[in-house]
Amino acid sequence: DGGITQSPKYLFRKEGQNVTLSCEQNLNHDAMYWYRQDPGQGLRLIYYSQIVNDFQKGDIAEGYSVSREKKESFPLTVTSAQKNPTAFYLCASSQSKTGELFFGEGSRLTVL
Amino acid sequence: GESVGLHLPTLSVQEGDNSIINCAYSNSASDYFIWYKQESGKGPQFIIDIRSNMDKRQGQRVTVLLNKTVKHLSLQIAATQPGDSAVYFCAENWAGTASKLTFGTGTRLQVTL
Repeated sequence: DGGITQSPKYLFRKEGQNVTLSCEQNLNHDAMYWYRQDPGQGLRLIYYSQIVNDFQKGDIAEGYSVSREKKESFPLTVTSAQKNPTAFYLCASSQSKTGELFFGEGSRLTVL
Repeated sequence: GESVGLHLPTLSVQEGDNSIINCAYSNSASDYFIWYKQESGKGPQFIIDIRSNMDKRQGQRVTVLLNKTVKHLSLQIAATQPGDSAVYFCAENWAGTASKLTFGTGTRLQVTL
């Protein structure tokens, strides 16, 4: 079945460590996105990529990095520079520009 | 489950009743709106969308109403079932690209038996 796979589902990190969250899609979508979800807030865009080898910062890119070497993959690295990294991270993809996003199941990152 | 929605408004409805979930959007230039459903511990799922040239759109058991005058969107769920229990949130798009979607904070729907 086509879809978006995020891994790991749960991740624990010590302060000062970088971690990478995986996102893979087999929907053949051009665009991929990373969002952060915190209690009581709407989804906030971290980074997005509309084509391979190109990506743009979203609203809260500081402390994060991404790469888009393959159409299917859009990994997110949460660096030690991110001051409050504990959150639920959602990867999404879309084919149309108008905004129908298909989401993965999310990755829960907890900093100890 | 995930901690998403700890401080969200909650709507409790009895199984079989109709549910109405409301959303006030912010940008009068928004021309595309989406409703998502998010179950505990899962990613959001697309429910239904509507463009600004419409004021009503129906899907299977769901209807979205758009009132551009007051910038208000609602989602009506007919004959609510236990499987409808989730957090529902709206999203608006004003720039014709998914990177410009703005998401609401959501409403938790609890279906009681």
